[in-house]
Amino acid sequence: NAGVTQTPKFRILKIGQSMTLQCTQDMNHNYMYWYRQDPGMGLKLIYYSVGAGITDKGEVPNGYNVSRSTTEDFPLRLELAAPSQTSVYFCASSDRDYSYEQYFGPGTRLTVT
Amino acid sequence: AQSVTQPDIHITVSEGASLELRCNYSYGATPYLFWYVQSPGQGLQLLLKYFSGDTLVQGIKGFEAEFKRSQSSFNLRKPSVHWSDAAEYFCAVGVRSGGGADGLTFGKGTHLIIQP
Repeated sequence: NAGVTQTPKFRILKIGQSMTLQCTQDMNHNYMYWYRQDPGMGLKLIYYSVGAGITDKGEVPNGYNVSRSTTEDFPLRLELAAPSQTSVYFCASSDRDYSYEQYFGPGTRLTVT
Repeated sequence: AQSVTQPDIHITVSEGASLELRCNYSYGATPYLFWYVQSPGQGLQLLLKYFSGDTLVQGIKGFEAEFKRSQSSFNLRKPSVHWSDAAEYFCAVGVRSGGGADGLTFGKGTHLIIQP
């Protein structure tokens, strides 16, 4: 199993551009999450999904959108990128009904200039 | 809403010495608790977790943590650190109920430095 994979690893965006961060998991987990990590701030939840077709906002959803058309994929969309969205983004998944443990991808480092 | 406090931003320990990283949480009921480790440029790896039962939990890489309900704490310990333990450590709290956000709430992290 590859676990949770994320692409790209690095990306530089100009202000106002848009992009999609990809996240895929091969563990058949129903629950998936997007976090952002800022220096010295820990991780904050952006959006989460409890299954295909179901998504909900986390603590810091503004400026982002998500969709969940399949169990495996949970892309994060940035519209009109702003410098405040410079961060490292982590996708995670869990089989919440069984273990509650979240498995994390390697992250995407995004810089908006 | 729940919160997590890791009081130490940086900790420096000599190789071979013992380690304790502190974590305090705020939550109205018994949460489920995690410690994750992050090496530079990497994702987060689970060290150990507490859901219920024995309050002393064992994890990978020789780490253990003790849940103390009376102190709302979940401190991470290791009897003898190795240079490879140098990393960022995060304590996290999860909510047991099914409603609301299912994500974890993380502390700000403790950066562990190992001196030779």
